Formats: sequence, C-alpha cells, structure tokens
Amino acid sequence: EEQLVQSGPEVKKVGESLKISCQGSADTFTYYWIGWVRQMPGKGLELMGIVYPGDSEARYNPSFQGQVTMSADESTRTSYLQWSSLEASDTAIYYCARLYDYGYYFDFWGQGTLVTVSS
Amino acid sequence: SYVLTQPPSVSVAPGKTAIITCGGTNFGSKRVHWYQQKPGQAPVLVVYDDSDRPSGTPERISGSKSGNTATLTVSRAEAEDEADYYCQVWDGGSNHHVILGGGTKLTVL
Repeated sequence: EEQLVQSGPEVKKVGESLKISCQGSADTFTYYWIGWVRQMPGKGLELMGIVYPGDSEARYNPSFQGQVTMSADESTRTSYLQWSSLEASDTAIYYCARLYDYGYYFDFWGQGTLVTVSS
Repeated sequence: SYVLTQPPSVSVAPGKTAIITCGGTNFGSKRVHWYQQKPGQAPVLVVYDDSDRPSGTPERISGSKSGNTATLTVSRAEAEDEADYYCQVWDGGSNHHVILGGGTKLTVL
C-alpha cells in the first residue's frame, strides 16, 4: 500500500521561493501520476496539475500554468511543487495524491502541507 | 473547459437520507468518483467508478449515475458523515485531465 508523506509547514514572505515535497513509500511510486491539489482557507479543492515521476512530465491546470512548477525524482520517490516568487494568495494547504490509472481517481493522499505567506 | 456542478450545501437529520448531486456533460463516457473531507483532514476516496466502494467506506454511503447527474447517497446519516464531499472525473479533453467539483458541505443537524 502506498503512503505519501509531505514536508512540514512553511512560513514565508512575499517574493520568496519555496519547494515542498511529497515522498512515496512504494516501489510502484514511479508508475503513477501524482496530482497536486490546493485548498485555500475555507475553500474547496483545486487541482493544480499532475506530474509523472517516471519522466517528470507535467500537465498543468491553465489556472496555475506559469505560477508553479511540478517535478519528480524517481530515485527518491519524491514529487515536488515549487514557487519562484510567492504571493500572499498562495497561502493554502497543498495536498499530493496518487492517481490510480485504471479509473483515474486519487486513491492515496498525503497529509497536506500548510504554506503561509505574509507580507 | 469541463465543469462539474455541485450544490454548496445539503442538510440532513440524523437517521435520514442525504442526497448530493454532481452535474456534468457526456457522463455516459465518464466514471465519477467521490471524496469525503472532514475538517482538518486530507480528503479520502469514498466511491469510485460511479458506484464502487473502497474497503473502509460504510455501506450507508453509495454512488449512482443517471444521465448527466451523479449522486452520492448517505443513508441513515450519522454525525460522523458531516463533511465536505467532492465529485471528480477524468476528462481527456482537458490538459490536466482531472476535474473536481466545487464541493458540497453536508451538515447533519
């Protein structure tokens, strides 16, 4: 069974860069797309995009294209979400989740990473 | 872009049945999945492929689909069912493919 463990909470300032991670436990981590999902305070889930750990191919929700970069390192079973210049509106919880490819649903989720950006 | 439409909120009395809908287009060619998110927790898959339940989902929670509407039914509602529920489909025409509904808050009064 897959377990996704995300990096800890972050407190950053506007304009700073950030990279958060999502590490899988299973040997099969490389073979499934990983999705990144944003949840702003008191709001619903938003799919930012999906990334394939085998080759780091990423497909972005147009709403997030150019705002973040998703990547992966198959040798460490880790996916990353990064920002080059944070904005206050990036304050949110970010979840990673494994996309099961026989039905295309998220069967395993990380615990979430809280990112707080202040001015 | 593909859109899934859910009611923002549904209320149900304990022991009664709650129905949460998810509207889309061309549902006949898509499989609908549902997630439950309790306050302070990560989402959890509760129904996949329209009506199948992962182990751990109580039988009181079920899914169905008819035409362009998918339905999540919570029978004999309990306080522990109070949560946000999201539907999701895979859309091959979208670049990022995974489409999430806006979510429905289920309140057990």
